[in-house]
Amino acid sequence: GAVVSQHPSRVICKSGTSVKIECRSLDFQATTMFWYRQFPKQSLMLMATSNEGSKATYEQGVEKDKFLINHASLTLSTLTVTSAHPEDSSFYICSAMRMGSEAFFGQGTRLTVV
Amino acid sequence: AQSVTQPDIHITVSEGASLELRCNYSYGATPYLFWYVQSPGQGLQLLLKYFSGDTLVQGIKGFEAEFKRSQSSFNLRKPSVHWSDAAEYFCAVGAGSSASKIIFGSGTRLSIRP
Repeated sequence: GAVVSQHPSRVICKSGTSVKIECRSLDFQATTMFWYRQFPKQSLMLMATSNEGSKATYEQGVEKDKFLINHASLTLSTLTVTSAHPEDSSFYICSAMRMGSEAFFGQGTRLTVV
Repeated sequence: AQSVTQPDIHITVSEGASLELRCNYSYGATPYLFWYVQSPGQGLQLLLKYFSGDTLVQGIKGFEAEFKRSQSSFNLRKPSVHWSDAAEYFCAVGAGSSASKIIFGSGTRLSIRP
């Protein structure tokens, strides 16, 4: 099956700093990737759709200036949480779409802002 | 708009007993439907998917699901649960091109009674 890798798996950062999360499709090209956020004991909420070579499309209520998404190549999308605050602590998961198949998910990144 | 409803927040069943997790969806066209499982602190694992064809879908780990268009349902079943099945289960509908934009239900937490 297709492999999607996220890095880091866990990160702790200080309040006010920025943190970058990478999502890579290891064995296929993905023109579209998706970013989700999951708060404890809750479901996954779609944050944004990341399109290679163009601007990301954000879901309603998601601050695009706070959650910067860059999809510079067909195998890499990055999510940067800028000026992180404790309320940004969450589990972030990406998925990548392989042509002719369903989306494949990374293993997630646990972000803790202290 | 697409949506998924999982009416049961938490279910407890005895080991060896049968299981059925309920899922109802709302989607304007023929839906792409998924069931995912998430163990604590882990990413998502795809159990099964329905795109078209046979409405009874077989998945991994002995799970199956039946698509019923008339009831807008896609319930997950397993004839005999194992303690290792304790986890969070998410029903999801795929939207957009290639069903890659996944919309998740709120999840059902499954506990197994020894």
